Amino acid sequence: GAVVSQHPSWVICKSGTSVKIECRSLDFQATTMFWYRQFPKQSLMLMATSNEGSKATYEQGVEKDKFLINHASLTLSTLTVTSAHPEDSSFYICRFEGTEAFFGQGTRLTVV
Amino acid sequence: AQTVTQSQPEMSVQEAETVTLSCTYDTSENNYYLFWYKQPPSRQMILVIRQEAYKQQNATENRFSVNFQKAAKSFSLKISDSQLGDTAMYFCAFMTYNTDKLIFGTGTRLQVFP
Repeated sequence: GAVVSQHPSWVICKSGTSVKIECRSLDFQATTMFWYRQFPKQSLMLMATSNEGSKATYEQGVEKDKFLINHASLTLSTLTVTSAHPEDSSFYICRFEGTEAFFGQGTRLTVV
Repeated sequence: AQTVTQSQPEMSVQEAETVTLSCTYDTSENNYYLFWYKQPPSRQMILVIRQEAYKQQNATENRFSVNFQKAAKSFSLKISDSQLGDTAMYFCAFMTYNTDKLIFGTGTRLQVFP
């Protein structure tokens, strides 16, 4: 089946620094990708939709200047958490378009 | 806007028994997909079963089956012959044909006891 690689799987960073999360499809191409955030014991909340070659669309309440999304190719999308703060600590998951489960493995971000 | 509701935060079942997880949704769309996903402790999302709204026949995948009631906007998951490996969070999810956005319910934590 299709494989999605997301890394890093976990990262600890200092408050005020930026962190980049990569999501790559290994054997297929997709024009649309989705980024989700999951707080402990909660559901996956859609943050934004990214389309290859165009600006991402953010869900209500998600700061586009804090969560920078780049979808530069059909196989790679990145999420950069800028000026991270402890409240940004969460589990971030990418997903490629389609009705299959094209999810990344997730990234646990801890901001200290 | 679409919403997905899972009214059971936690469920438990004994190994080899059957358990049903509930899900209701709200939408004005006519064409959509419904899903059940499993999230084990590894947190990798695993597709359990998928249903297309236009299909009247309930989807089945081995021990997993759904009861899809379109008029009632209900989409429950039945797990037969429960196994210890079924212990996980289960999320019901909705997707319209034209957006490809997955909207998740709040989840049900299932514990299978030996």
